[in-house]
Amino acid sequence: AQKITQTQPGMFVQEKEAVTLDCTYDTSDPSYGLFWYKQPSSGEMIFLIYQGSYDQQNATEGRYSLNFQKARKSANLVISASQLGDSAMYFCAMRERSSGSRLTFGEGTQLTVNP
Amino acid sequence: DAGVIQSPRHEVTEMGQEVTLRCKPISGHNSLFWYRQTMMRGLELLIYFNNNVPIDDSGMPEDRFSAKMPNASFSTLKIQPSEPRDSAVYFCASSFFEPGKREKTYNEQFFGPGTRLTVL
Repeated sequence: AQKITQTQPGMFVQEKEAVTLDCTYDTSDPSYGLFWYKQPSSGEMIFLIYQGSYDQQNATEGRYSLNFQKARKSANLVISASQLGDSAMYFCAMRERSSGSRLTFGEGTQLTVNP
Repeated sequence: DAGVIQSPRHEVTEMGQEVTLRCKPISGHNSLFWYRQTMMRGLELLIYFNNNVPIDDSGMPEDRFSAKMPNASFSTLKIQPSEPRDSAVYFCASSFFEPGKREKTYNEQFFGPGTRLTVL
């Protein structure tokens, strides 16, 4: 079974609008962390935001926020006020305490921001 | 800090040749990861080390692949002999990990710029 599922291979959004990138996960470990990374066309992997399974509040980092719904096992990334530079591949990943320090990545969502 | 350093950034080689990819993790980090990224298979974890010890190498495709971490500041991924299907971008990442701790701090993995390998 897939541990991380990103069901949107591609998404389009107009500049200055908000967009939500979906991520669902599967784990039986009560202690885990969820990460989002951005990979622009230049290829580097850039950490965006983190949510711990015990965190009571949704994580926010500037224009990025994580809509964490623990019961549904979803951790969607919300990007507000999209910019052209947000066009990139976005990966959701999970680290389970039982798996040590390894991350499991989803297949990614290609976001295109239109002017 | 310079971040995770990988070399070379690009490598083009012929089938059958030995390829060595190098990685210098961020100083103070105790976990190091090697990933491979292709269009077909996405981002795959090949192997990772904690405190220079290989913890999980189940992602290493076959015996042609080997990885070493002789000290805390250096790791290599070797492919011998290389094949065209090994063509991919290989990333190294590092993080600081505290075993046994409740997952509450992000200690994210910092990725290097990657090595784009082409095997002809």
